[in-house]
Amino acid sequence: AQTVTQSQPEMSVQEAETVTLSCTYDTSENNYYLFWYKQPPSRQMILVIRQEAYKQQNATENRFSVNFQKAAKSFSLKISDSQLGDTAMYFCAFMKPSNAGGTSYGKLTFGQGTILTVHP
Amino acid sequence: GVTQSPTHLIKTRGQQVTLRCSPKSGHDTVSWYQQALGQGPQFIFQYYEEEERQRGNFPDRFSGHQFPNYSSELNVNALLLGDSALYLCASSVLGEQFFGPGTRLTVL
Repeated sequence: AQTVTQSQPEMSVQEAETVTLSCTYDTSENNYYLFWYKQPPSRQMILVIRQEAYKQQNATENRFSVNFQKAAKSFSLKISDSQLGDTAMYFCAFMKPSNAGGTSYGKLTFGQGTILTVHP
Repeated sequence: GVTQSPTHLIKTRGQQVTLRCSPKSGHDTVSWYQQALGQGPQFIFQYYEEEERQRGNFPDRFSGHQFPNYSSELNVNALLLGDSALYLCASSVLGEQFFGPGTRLTVL
């Protein structure tokens, strides 16, 4: 079974600064996906960024980038130029593609989350 | 996007509840998650072609259904206080799951 660990229950950052959220995972699989989701107080879970394990290049989406270290099973999220709207709970998630019943869409295994607060 | 109903629900112990989810247009796979307060979501089960394809570590009191239009229901029987949580539905394409706003279930 896969496990995902987020060791930082809470983080804070000043507006316009950079912050890095940590995530480690445990798996024996070689092919998988990793995700960072954001859940603001409105509770809608929003995908921030995704990484395919077979890709060596780290994913980037505007101000969000990841540091994917496959051998170390580490997947951190860097948020640059933090904005007040980035305040939310951030979840790291793992997915192993599944062919159960003909679908390749596996289940997500989430970490415990990190509460990020951006201060003005 | 993904829609869920109702938004909030209050039930008493022992009752039964049904939660509903309509997937994003073009998505045929629906997954359900339970999120306790302050925790990460836990996978309940996944439906594809109207059949349960994968199941997490949840008792048989949790059951579901998928309809021909891909919408889905989550049923929970004999409610316990510990079933109080946010229930999230997600529909998927190409490995990426899109989440609905959730249903907040409170069991008294």
